[in-house]
Amino acid sequence: DGGITQSPKYLFRKEGQNVTLSCEQNLNHDAMYWYRQDPGQGLRLIYYSQIVNDFQKGDIAEGYSVSREKKESFPLTVTSAQKNPTAFYLCASSITAGRNEQYFGPGTRLTVT
Amino acid sequence: AQTVTQSQPEMSVQEAETVTLSCTYDTSESDYYLFWYKQPPSRQMILVIRQEAYKQQNATENRFSVNFQKAAKSFSLKISDSQLGDAAMYFCAYKENDMRFGAGTRLTVKP
Repeated sequence: DGGITQSPKYLFRKEGQNVTLSCEQNLNHDAMYWYRQDPGQGLRLIYYSQIVNDFQKGDIAEGYSVSREKKESFPLTVTSAQKNPTAFYLCASSITAGRNEQYFGPGTRLTVT
Repeated sequence: AQTVTQSQPEMSVQEAETVTLSCTYDTSESDYYLFWYKQPPSRQMILVIRQEAYKQQNATENRFSVNFQKAAKSFSLKISDSQLGDAAMYFCAYKENDMRFGAGTRLTVKP
């Protein structure tokens, strides 16, 4: 089955710890994205990558970091510098970074206490 | 920056009836895509329908159709013969390079 996987579904961390969220796709898509969703709000773009070894900041990149060493993988690290990291995180991919639709993973709910 | 506005935080529809969700967007571009995504309680984002801005014909997918008014920058979603499984958050999205989402409309379907 082709698709996007995110693991784990629920993640708990103590304040001050960095945490990495996994995102893997086997759709052979070039572009990958990370979004944050807070209650009652739409999705906000954190980072995106149009191609391997390249990525750009989105609207709310502060306190986050990413890497894109492989086409299939786009992990997101939530650092201790992120002031309010508790949220639902969604990973997405698209064939290219152009006007194509994005396909989403199931998401990871991160809770930091 | 492009903005997407969904003016209806919540909507309700009777099962088997028709409901229309509103969306407006702001852009100075002429070539872009518009989408409606559904997010059920599982929180999985599911693509419902897409519309290319250069196409005048409104997109349809089974019970889902759009009313795309390019000059008015309006992109509403019509759900016909509503089913209980249609209950979800619905997000309108605009894409030129990156994707911009509205705040969403929560749709309740009453049996």
